[in-house]
Amino acid sequence: DTAVSQTPKYLVTQMGNDKSIKCEQNLGHDTMYWYKQDSKKFLKIMFSYNNKELIINETVPNRFSPKSPDKAHLNLHINSLELGDSAVYFCASSQESERDSGANVLTFGAGSRLTVL
Amino acid sequence: GQNIDQPTEMTATEGAIVQINCTYQTSGFNGLFWYQQHAGEAPTFLSYNVLDGLEEKGRFSSFLSRSKGYSYLLLKELQMKDSASYLCAVYNQAGTALIFGKGTTLSVSS
Repeated sequence: DTAVSQTPKYLVTQMGNDKSIKCEQNLGHDTMYWYKQDSKKFLKIMFSYNNKELIINETVPNRFSPKSPDKAHLNLHINSLELGDSAVYFCASSQESERDSGANVLTFGAGSRLTVL
Repeated sequence: GQNIDQPTEMTATEGAIVQINCTYQTSGFNGLFWYQQHAGEAPTFLSYNVLDGLEEKGRFSSFLSRSKGYSYLLLKELQMKDSASYLCAVYNQAGTALIFGKGTTLSVSS
């Protein structure tokens, strides 16, 4: 069984469209994340949820809206897609989100490659 | 905020030893991570250092000096399959997420 699974793996769409990426983890982790990896391979945090509660919302356009229906799922909805949104989006999960609690090892999903034309 | 620097690219030959350096600046240090990412795949966890010194795990070792804001990943007996990007990461200021460096792409040739 895949620990962190994302769908779809590939997504090609036109500018201006709205799309969603889904993520599910079966590890029983408390915290889930969305990272964006651009064409230069730079992996940047976007959002973090701990037990369905938003913890981190980095400087991301409000066209991006995460939703966590339960602690095992974190979906990402993107409105009015732009060319610059083309990237690989990685979902990840970890057991702890608190500081001083030790190694917060992230388990990543396989990534969703979004191409905006 | 956080600032992480690592070389963009490195090359080495099979069987050799390579050291990938990482320097960081962060407020409230709470550990440094190394991840490996093969092309087209997800990053996977390699090592975690929170105290000064060397942590060894098979062919891979990671070193940390907190006073110098410096870490390195040492790969011994290089194999072709070690060709990948190696990402250095530290916690953000709140300690709630990992902030990654831009990664070092290692190419191993025969």
